[in-house]
Amino acid sequence: KAGVTQTPRYLIKTRGQQVTLSCSPISGHRSVSWYQQTPGQGLQFLFEYFSETQRNKGNFPGRFSGRQFSNSRSEMNVSTLELGDSALYLCASRQSSYEQYFGPGTRLTVT
Amino acid sequence: AQTVTQSQPEMSVQEAETVTLSCTYDTSENNYYLFWYKQPPSRQMILVIRQEAYKQQNATENRFSVNFQKAAKSFSLKISDSQLGDTAMYFCAFMNLNDYKLSFGAGTTVTVRA
Repeated sequence: KAGVTQTPRYLIKTRGQQVTLSCSPISGHRSVSWYQQTPGQGLQFLFEYFSETQRNKGNFPGRFSGRQFSNSRSEMNVSTLELGDSALYLCASRQSSYEQYFGPGTRLTVT
Repeated sequence: AQTVTQSQPEMSVQEAETVTLSCTYDTSENNYYLFWYKQPPSRQMILVIRQEAYKQQNATENRFSVNFQKAAKSFSLKISDSQLGDTAMYFCAFMNLNDYKLSFGAGTTVTVRA
């Protein structure tokens, strides 16, 4: 099976812009979770989607949003970008077990 | 909220030697999972080993084993016969079975020296 894929892999945006990141889970996996990884804050949970419904949300401002499609692919959107949003954004998919499989991440740089 | 603490920012080990990474966590839950993930430089995160809290027996995966002390809320990882490919950042993670969120520690950078 193909692993979790994320596009794009690298992205450079300007403050104030908005960005959309995409995640395709492993075939058959219905749960997709998003995490933000920064040197200062480490890995932090953003949200989880299961069957097109947001099931959990971390402590991030409303500028961070997401959605999941019927084919389980998920997108994450960040509006009004700030310098502090520069990070590696990881998504992970899960089937019925508790093991999450991570994608390679999208490296977002905000200038 | 659960907190996961990894007190060793960096560890260095000679090839073929053994290294142990520490992890402690704080939770009021009784049922949960613990994980160790490995993130090699510029590569994606992969699961190393998993431990269910209800199991007393420590998990083992080839050269990787854990020492799970539930009462002490401690979950250390032992890497035996270290190999150059083990060089990576290692994250300890906690999962509450109610919400499936992973809470990560700050990570430990392991460097295996030839």
